[in-house]
Formats: sequence, C-alpha cells, structure tokens
Amino acid sequence: QKEVEQDPGPLSVPEGAIVSLNCTYSNSAFQYFMWYRQYSRKGPELLMYTYSSGNKEDGRFTAQVDKSSKYISLFIRDSQPSDSATYLCAMSARGQNFVFGPGTRLSVLP
Amino acid sequence: EAQVTQNPRYLITVTGKKLTVTCSQNMNHEYMSWYRQDPGLGLRQIYYSMNVEVTDKGDVPEGYKVSRKEKRNFPLILESPSPNQTSLYFCASSPGRTGELFFGEGSRLTVL
Repeated sequence: QKEVEQDPGPLSVPEGAIVSLNCTYSNSAFQYFMWYRQYSRKGPELLMYTYSSGNKEDGRFTAQVDKSSKYISLFIRDSQPSDSATYLCAMSARGQNFVFGPGTRLSVLP
Repeated sequence: EAQVTQNPRYLITVTGKKLTVTCSQNMNHEYMSWYRQDPGLGLRQIYYSMNVEVTDKGDVPEGYKVSRKEKRNFPLILESPSPNQTSLYFCASSPGRTGELFFGEGSRLTVL
C-alpha cells in the first residue's frame, strides 16, 4: 500500500460544476496537509494548507481534513476552464519530509 | 521577483557522465529540497536541507548528492547518472517548517 493514495483521473467536468478531489493516507503521524496545483510544464504551486484536522476555505476552494479516517479533500466550486491542471495532495509529519500523492488530472470543459 | 531558479531546464546526457543541476532562491528561505517527478509516482523527495551545512535524505536519495554551502543555493549532483535517473526534477524552498513550498520550473533530465 502506498503511503498516500490519490485517484489519478483524468477527471472531466463542465464549467460551473463542483469538483471533489480526494486523498487517503496511511501514516497517522501526518499533521500538515497541503494541496498543490500544477499546470503543464510548470512547477507545483500551493493552493491550500491545513494543519491538523478541520476545514479551510479560500474563495472557490475548500480543503477538508479528517484525521480519524485518514482522508483529505479539496472542493472547487464554480469550476472554470483555468482550473484545468493536475492537483497534488501532500502531507508531512514534521514539516521536513513531504510525501505527495501521484496527482489527479482535471479538465474543466467550457 | 521572488523565485526559485533551476538550471539547466533541459539536459540530455550519457550514462556515467557527472552532472550538476543548480538551484537558487532569492527569498532567504532556510529550507530547500529536491524532488523527482515520474508518471504515476508523483513527486518523491530526494534530499532536503533545513539550513546551511544541514542536509538529510528524503525517500529516494540513492545515486544523488547535495550540498548547502550558502543559504540561497542547493545544487543536486549526479556523480554517475544512470538511465533510471531520467526524470523531471524540481527544486523547492520554504520559509519554515510548513507546507508552503515554492517550486522552481523544473529540469527535465534524460540519461541515455
């Protein structure tokens, strides 16, 4: 079993749809949880950062962490074609060694 | 402009020919790290550095070396590259022990 699992997609949705992206993990020591967005031929950029459990909202993006289930989610509301990218979840126990999921490729169709 | 700069962006080399990929950041970050990205495997950490002269292995350090002699620079060294090191490499920096990693544009390396 991989330490972090993520549905690779690809996921295609129509513009305006609500998108749900998910990761599961096995290491209960993880307490830093991040979502990164990566456009083609670019480096990843941080979207959301959460410490420990709970929800965090930033504009159209909401990140949820459920440590009891070892499950994290990223919701994108009113999705736009510019949201088409690969989304990577990442986790860390002590903020030093980061473990990334394989990424989910999202396409938002106009 | 705050950025992480990697060079070269693209490189084709042959087995056994030593190479260095440079990484420089202008944000005065203490933490720097190297990753490789392969299809289906995602980003895997090679080495990281918490500060000058402090480095530690990540998940896939075999075949790589790093050094951190200055705060802004963190070069990745492949002493004797092999074809299984063909990959897309990313350098990243962070202001502290958080998940806010700032990534470079990537270096695509092919080892023949």
